[in-house]
Amino acid sequence: TQLLEQSPQFLSIQEGENLTVYCNSSSVFSSLQWYRQEPGEGPVLLVTVVTGGEVKKLKRLTFQFGDARKDSSLHITAAQPGDTGLYLCAGAIEGGANNLFFGTGTRLTVIP
Amino acid sequence: DSGVTQTPKHLITATGQRVTLRCSPRSGDLSVYWYQQSLDQGLQFLIQYYNGEERAKGNILERFSAQQFPDLHSELNLSSLELGDSALYFCASSVGAYSPLHFGNGTRLTVT
Repeated sequence: TQLLEQSPQFLSIQEGENLTVYCNSSSVFSSLQWYRQEPGEGPVLLVTVVTGGEVKKLKRLTFQFGDARKDSSLHITAAQPGDTGLYLCAGAIEGGANNLFFGTGTRLTVIP
Repeated sequence: DSGVTQTPKHLITATGQRVTLRCSPRSGDLSVYWYQQSLDQGLQFLIQYYNGEERAKGNILERFSAQQFPDLHSELNLSSLELGDSALYFCASSVGAYSPLHFGNGTRLTVT
C-alpha cells in the first residue's frame, strides 16, 4: 500500500526555472521528511517538518507541511544542475515507531 | 559520507540461493533499518532493530530475516531467492527511534 503519492513523477526543466513537487496522502503523519537521492547513493535527508503549516527554508529550497499534516510541498527557486536527483518525501505515522513510509518519488533533471 | 557502511556493493546470484547483506551503522546509532528499493515499488520499509531488539516490521517476506548483533551491526538474510527479489537494499541508522535516518549506499542484488 502506497501511503504517499508524489507529483509529478518526472520533471525536466531549464536551469533558472522554479518548480514545485507535491507529496499527498490521506493519512496523518506525525512528521514528514524530504530526502534527495543521487544515482548509486542512498537518500540524504534534506529537512524534517513536524508542525501543521510549518514552512522551512534551506537556501533555494522551501518546504511546507500541510495544516492537516497529510501533505507537503517542496519548492525550488532558480533550479541549478546540482539540484538534479530523485526527491523523496517520507512520513512517520502518528504513534508509530520511526518506520518511515516513503513516497513514490519525483525524478528531477535540471538542464544547463 | 553518511557513516553507514553496507557490504557488498553488488551481489549477483541465482534463483533459489541465499545471501547475507551486512550493515554497520554510524558510530553511536542504536537503531538500524532495512529498506528495499525497486523500480516499480519505490522504497519499502522492511524491518527495524533498536539496540539488538526487533522494533518494527514492514513488508518483509517470510523468506527474509534480519538481526542486529551486540556490536550493533546488522545482517539481512534473503533465502530462496526469486527474480523479483532483484533490487537495491538499503540500510539506515539513527540515534534513537524517532531521529533522522542516515542511509548507506546500498547493496544492489541481482537474481538471475
